Amino acid sequence: DARVTQTPRHKVTEMGQEVTMRCQPILGHNTVFWYRQTMMQGLELLAYFRNRAPLDDSGMPKDRFSAEMPDATLATLKIQPSEPRDSAVYFCASGLHRGEQYFGPGTRLTVT
Amino acid sequence: DAKTTQPNSMESNEEEPVHLPCNHSTISGTDYIHWYRQLPSQGPEYVIHGLTSNVNNRMASLAIAEDRKSSTLILHRATLRDAAVYYCILEFTNTGNQFYFGTGTSLTVIP
Repeated sequence: DARVTQTPRHKVTEMGQEVTMRCQPILGHNTVFWYRQTMMQGLELLAYFRNRAPLDDSGMPKDRFSAEMPDATLATLKIQPSEPRDSAVYFCASGLHRGEQYFGPGTRLTVT
Repeated sequence: DAKTTQPNSMESNEEEPVHLPCNHSTISGTDYIHWYRQLPSQGPEYVIHGLTSNVNNRMASLAIAEDRKSSTLILHRATLRDAAVYYCILEFTNTGNQFYFGTGTSLTVIP
């Protein structure tokens, strides 16, 4: 049963620290998405990749967030420096060109 | 401007059908309609998607209005495990196939 995996599942850090979240998409999927979920804003698309190339990151705060896919089995989302307002659950999802997106379990980030 | 409009919450009795409505009046001809659901403390889960014709799968049915400005997700027999937030989402094909999640409908299933 193929699944998207995300690490860490929980992260507590202090303001100003760097945070790196990792995602392993389902093997064979060519599209990877990063979402952020908060109570106030709901689910927001931050960035997405197709065939490892970034296609859209307009939802991402450019000054502190960065997303990469070093290879087909790893996607990373980095926040530097982190701020309390970044506290949220970050989801990674993978899929094929159109159709279903398979979501990971999420990383719950708390920035104090 | 809201891309999809859904009721904030709905209730259903267990083992009865549930019709979850969604309005998407600004949909264009090539935009797909997707439905996902999110159980507590989990990531969203795919339910169904369609373009123009009604669609059925093992989880649900999707009824799309003829003008495509609205759709309805139908759960044929609600179970307690169907209690979740249901999102109606448009996939904008002219902007690279991104999904935009709305606020969703929180479904409560009453035993």
